[in-house]
Amino acid sequence: RKEVEQDPGPFNVPEGATVAFNCTYSNSASQSFFWYRQDCRKEPKLLMSVYSSGNEDGRFTAQLNRASQYISLLIRDSKLSDSATYLCVVNHYNAGNNRKLIWGLGTSLAVNP
Amino acid sequence: NAGVMQNPRHLVRRRGQEARLRCSPMKGHSHVYWYRQLPEEGLKFMVYLQKENIIDESGMPKERFSAEFPKEGPSILRIQQVVRGDSAAYFCASSPTADYGYTFGSGTRLTVV
Repeated sequence: RKEVEQDPGPFNVPEGATVAFNCTYSNSASQSFFWYRQDCRKEPKLLMSVYSSGNEDGRFTAQLNRASQYISLLIRDSKLSDSATYLCVVNHYNAGNNRKLIWGLGTSLAVNP
Repeated sequence: NAGVMQNPRHLVRRRGQEARLRCSPMKGHSHVYWYRQLPEEGLKFMVYLQKENIIDESGMPKERFSAEFPKEGPSILRIQQVVRGDSAAYFCASSPTADYGYTFGSGTRLTVV
């Protein structure tokens, strides 16, 4: 089982739609979680951190479910500019107490006019 | 505050040459990470450094690849005797602490001909 798993998609949605991505992780000791966005041939950019209580930033809502070991990202009122790959990232500390960020392979979103 | 600066943006090397990739972290960031992204693939962790120390190099190929982050100056990823399979985008990221999300540079696209 991969440490971080995402549905690769692609998700094709019309403008204005609501779309949700899930990401599962295998290490129950994982401590912090992030969603990044990567446009084609560009660098990943931090979209939002994911907190236990859930957090919202405009049209974006992130949730964490520690019991089931998954995080989610909800995008409301999709815009054409939301088309990108969304990367799930999980942080834990390995046996040497070194931080380890584990990256999912990403979920591709295409918002269509 | 300039972001993470990587140079060069594009680098072409012939097989057998050396490639040197530079990364200047954001001001105040002492944690530097190098990632490689092959075409149509996800981000692969290579190495994590703090000033003058390699913290985690578990993702580095055993031969030909080395990284440093000296007390003064940028972090350097060095690839000796490049081969075609080294062609990829190499991203550097930095963070202020080990628990914070990263900021990525724009990457160096290495092409080996």
